[in-house]
Amino acid sequence: QTVVTQEPSFSVSPGGTVTLTCGLSSGSVSTSHYPTWYQQTPGQAPRTLIYSTNTRSSGVPDRFSGSILGNKAALTITGAQADDESDYYCVLYMGSGIYWVFGGGTKLTVL
Amino acid sequence: EVQLLESGGGLVQPGGSLRLSCAASGFTFSSYAMSWVRQAPGKGLEWVSAISGTGGTTYNADSVKGRFTISRDESKNTLYLQMNSLRAEDTAIYYCARGLGRAAAGTGWVSWGQGTLVTVSS
Repeated sequence: QTVVTQEPSFSVSPGGTVTLTCGLSSGSVSTSHYPTWYQQTPGQAPRTLIYSTNTRSSGVPDRFSGSILGNKAALTITGAQADDESDYYCVLYMGSGIYWVFGGGTKLTVL
Repeated sequence: EVQLLESGGGLVQPGGSLRLSCAASGFTFSSYAMSWVRQAPGKGLEWVSAISGTGGTTYNADSVKGRFTISRDESKNTLYLQMNSLRAEDTAIYYCARGLGRAAAGTGWVSWGQGTLVTVSS
């Protein structure tokens, strides 16, 4: 069974930098998985931040960036703000038979 | 501006059926793959089904295979999800989402609707 792993929770100070990761229970994440990152606040639909590893979605500030770090996809938030406090999800494209698998999400606290 | 508006959710008994709709506007509907993603109460996101821009290729998660059918009507700019043999574990908010191009394979789901709630309970 393919499991996409994310940190359950993370904390960052206002103005600080945080890197959230998205890995695989078996194997490495690459650009061929087309990692996509979403931000979701309670009661709201997901908002797309990053797609295809490192392309910022329209209207997303440049303090959000995506990359591959080692064997994982990564979302880096530079200069964290209070309203960045949200749940963050990644999704990977796994190809034939499995298709798209979401990670369990990371709850980011800004304090 | 891309707009996706889901409808059709509601309360249904286990074993029942429901059809969800997603009305699309602000883009050329046939040029984009579309998908359904769901979120059970208090849980994370789960991909459910996807369809290519032409409608010729569909994809389903194992959890819904044989029970859910995704389709699209280009004349109405509308995406559908026919859900049969519903179970309690299908209870969730169902979102429709748009891909990056006509092909579904490899795309990210980048534009989202606000979702419609499906509750399966007796």
